[in-house]
Amino acid sequence: DAGVIQSPRHEVTEMGQEVTLRCKLISGHNSLFWYRQTMMRGLELLIYFNNNVPIDDSGMPEDRFSAKMPNASFSTLKIQPSEPRDSAVYFCASSLFPLISSTDTQYFGPGTRLTVL
Amino acid sequence: GENVEQHPSTLSVQEGDSAVIKCTYSDSASNYFPWYKQELGKRPQLIIDIRSNVGEKKDQRIAVTLNKTAKHFSLHITETQPEDSAVYFCAAAFDNAGNMLTFGGGTRLMVKP
Repeated sequence: DAGVIQSPRHEVTEMGQEVTLRCKLISGHNSLFWYRQTMMRGLELLIYFNNNVPIDDSGMPEDRFSAKMPNASFSTLKIQPSEPRDSAVYFCASSLFPLISSTDTQYFGPGTRLTVL
Repeated sequence: GENVEQHPSTLSVQEGDSAVIKCTYSDSASNYFPWYKQELGKRPQLIIDIRSNVGEKKDQRIAVTLNKTAKHFSLHITETQPEDSAVYFCAAAFDNAGNMLTFGGGTRLMVKP
């Protein structure tokens, strides 16, 4: 298994542009989590889905952020319009719900480093 | 909701010494406690976890202890090596909360050769 796949790995854009981050879950997993990591704020949970349904989006900073799961294995996180303060590393993670054993824990993707100029 | 506090935020040890990182959690319903290691520029990766029906778990040089009454758990690394240098995150979860992990703020461990 290739693990969680994220694209792009690096993104540099200008303020005001739309940014779309992509994530492919581990085959068979049914929970998907989007995180943002910065030096100042650490690792923040933005939103998570179980079986394609958004469960908790209280971490989404504002309406400029949106996330979707168009199918069971794929998710997008969109920022429109982007701002310099959105610069961070964005991770997605997948897991198997319910969490029964250690192998059902969250596995992180390699992350997307976003820089908004 | 759950709140996880992690201490210390930075820890420097000599190679071969032991390192201990401590976390406290607020929700007594939490029953799953994983630890992640994040090397510079890499993703967080699970190194060990423990469930609430167990008090201690070991994996080679790494061990985790859990005190449910006091609501705290700790990571112990013995015989530290330079490659143990990384940021370590603890987390807590309640199974029925959809596998959502609440992470601590992280501990930057530096092992000096």
